[in-house]
Amino acid sequence: QSVLTQPPSVSAAPGQKVTISCSGSSSNIGNNYVSWYQQLPGTAPNLLIYANNKRPSGIPDRFSGSRSGTSATLDITGLQTGDEADYYCGTWDSSLSTYVFGTGTKVTV
Amino acid sequence: EVQLLESGGGFVQPGGSLRLSCAASGFTFSSYAMSWVRQAPGRGLDWVSAISGSASNTYYADSVKGRFTISRDNSNSTLYLQMNSLRAEDTAIYYCVKGYTYTIDYWGQGSLVTVSS
Repeated sequence: QSVLTQPPSVSAAPGQKVTISCSGSSSNIGNNYVSWYQQLPGTAPNLLIYANNKRPSGIPDRFSGSRSGTSATLDITGLQTGDEADYYCGTWDSSLSTYVFGTGTKVTV
Repeated sequence: EVQLLESGGGFVQPGGSLRLSCAASGFTFSSYAMSWVRQAPGRGLDWVSAISGSASNTYYADSVKGRFTISRDNSNSTLYLQMNSLRAEDTAIYYCVKGYTYTIDYWGQGSLVTVSS
């Protein structure tokens, strides 16, 4: 049972934008860095965003992250069919002393 | 290039044991905390355990505490997960990952563990 809540699914047409929310609390998102992970069908997850809004090398700027209070957001612009995947937020939870993941969001293009 | 290669998964009966290994390369292994994350079939991601770079500190999810043991061999850049008293609910793909509290920046390809009678 995850402490971070995401919408189960979002969808949009190619070229459009989607926004994925991740809701937590002061013990996790509110006071710790948020990461986002993309899991393409049948593959291992891959780091998309770290430290709330930083992209690892090789990640296109169509992907952007932000944090406000106890929530975080992942925006994907210029949607492509190759973006169809499950997306997870993740962060450290200071109260639980564990790393926690969001419930996951399936993006359909 | 960072590579994490898991091995040791398989089929085991409830109450049995398995040991997962993860061979790491492409970075200074001893300098980084490492973790195991699992994903049950059709489900989300679930952090299992972590170990500091020096192996002096280990951390476990409540669901595996007392049954699983994480360890590492820095001389051979290898991470381990000893899993005892396995239950059906431990059935999952187990990913070896680099990182812990700050972020998880690299993932292995995963090793499937199936617990069934």
